[in-house]
Amino acid sequence: SQTIHQWPATLVQPVGSPLSLECTVEGTSNPNLYWYRQAAGRGLQLLFYSVGIGQISSEVPQNLSASRPQDRQFILSSKKLLLSDSGFYLCAWTPGRGGSNQPQHFGDGTRLSIL
Amino acid sequence: AQSVTQLGSHVSVSEGALVLLRCNYSSSVPPYLFWYVQYPNQGLQLLLKYTSAATLVKGINGFEAEFKKSETSFHLTKPSAHMSDAAEYFCAVSEGLVGSQGNLIFGKGTKLSVKP
Repeated sequence: SQTIHQWPATLVQPVGSPLSLECTVEGTSNPNLYWYRQAAGRGLQLLFYSVGIGQISSEVPQNLSASRPQDRQFILSSKKLLLSDSGFYLCAWTPGRGGSNQPQHFGDGTRLSIL
Repeated sequence: AQSVTQLGSHVSVSEGALVLLRCNYSSSVPPYLFWYVQYPNQGLQLLLKYTSAATLVKGINGFEAEFKKSETSFHLTKPSAHMSDAAEYFCAVSEGLVGSQGNLIFGKGTKLSVKP
């Protein structure tokens, strides 16, 4: 069966420090991968999605970047964190070429606090 | 463009009472619709999905939702609330295009509280 892993679960970082959050999927090939940020009362905001290695689409301009160095690995990064980057970050996947009737499957998230 | 509106950011019910969480969507093409549940500090878990088959969709944990095209609604219901149902619920819509990358548009969520 397919599983998705995110780490770390929680992270406290000072303003201006770098960031790297990792997400990996097991048990499937060529998944579509997504990064979301969830802020209180604002629902889920799609940050990036990827349909293949090295293919990244950004939904909103921001202080963050994403990379997909391997088929089932999706990384969220920042060179210098801002206070506004605080939030709950979620990674998700769907089967590649599965079409839009496929649900997204979520990891357990990373709680990022910026001090 | 697709959009989702969840009416009521907070809903409170008594244990054993009916749960009704409202979701209205906007879509220029036949939509695919989803309900997710999120427990504190966890990811989202799929409750159920509508993909143009039966309009009444049954999900996990006793939840069900009915797709009503004329009302552009996809409300989530459960006949009898349990304490364990306390969580945040998200409605989402996906454009019904074959071969699309499966992006979802989420509502802002409804927090369900269950009183003993």
